[in-house]
Amino acid sequence: HVQLQQSGPGLVKPSQTLSLTCAISGDSVSNNSAAWNWIRQSPSGGLEWLGRTYYRSKWSYEYALSVKSRIIINQDTSKNQFSLQLNSVTPEDTAVYYCARDTTGWPFDRWGQGTLVTVSS
Amino acid sequence: AIQMTQSPSSLSASVGDRVTISCRTSQDIRDDLGWYQQKPGRAPELLIYSVSNLESGVPSRFSGSGFDTFFTLTITSLQPEDSATYYCLQDRRQPFTFGQGTKLEI
Repeated sequence: HVQLQQSGPGLVKPSQTLSLTCAISGDSVSNNSAAWNWIRQSPSGGLEWLGRTYYRSKWSYEYALSVKSRIIINQDTSKNQFSLQLNSVTPEDTAVYYCARDTTGWPFDRWGQGTLVTVSS
Repeated sequence: AIQMTQSPSSLSASVGDRVTISCRTSQDIRDDLGWYQQKPGRAPELLIYSVSNLESGVPSRFSGSGFDTFFTLTITSLQPEDSATYYCLQDRRQPFTFGQGTKLEI
């Protein structure tokens, strides 16, 4: 039974870095049939894919152009988790952030519980 | 980016009704289309993948169809627990994009 457990602060000051972690149980971050994603949902409800990491003999990282200059997704195989860093945040980055797994043929079939991150001074 | 146009944005129906939600894409996405259900305070849940394949555990009253650039989600025999917001997703090309959502009130 795959579970994703998110952690990280819910309040970040403008211009600082948003950092979240997603711990995986029931699967491996190194699973070569899976990819590990970050998705956010704005207060108005729109869902936006931010990026993902996956392992296929080497680690790869793919990012949405909208955040590419500010985002880093990493993995920690020793802890079986992956992380999101979003730099230079503004109030427009206020959203619920989700981690999610996708596998070959099954898009975003498992999700974390979501973390509301508010960007405010 | 592939644009997703989902309609209607909201609808109201009664228990036992049949409803259809549509999703139009700006480019041909073959069969890389999924549908999600989201209830307040919860993460979206996968209902249907590859246009018409029901995710394990999803009731058979949910079905999907379509091809090319037009897709539909149909829910027959509506139940009270179907009250939620529904989203389509294309994972054909990055950035993966979602529809704007359809809020279904029972």
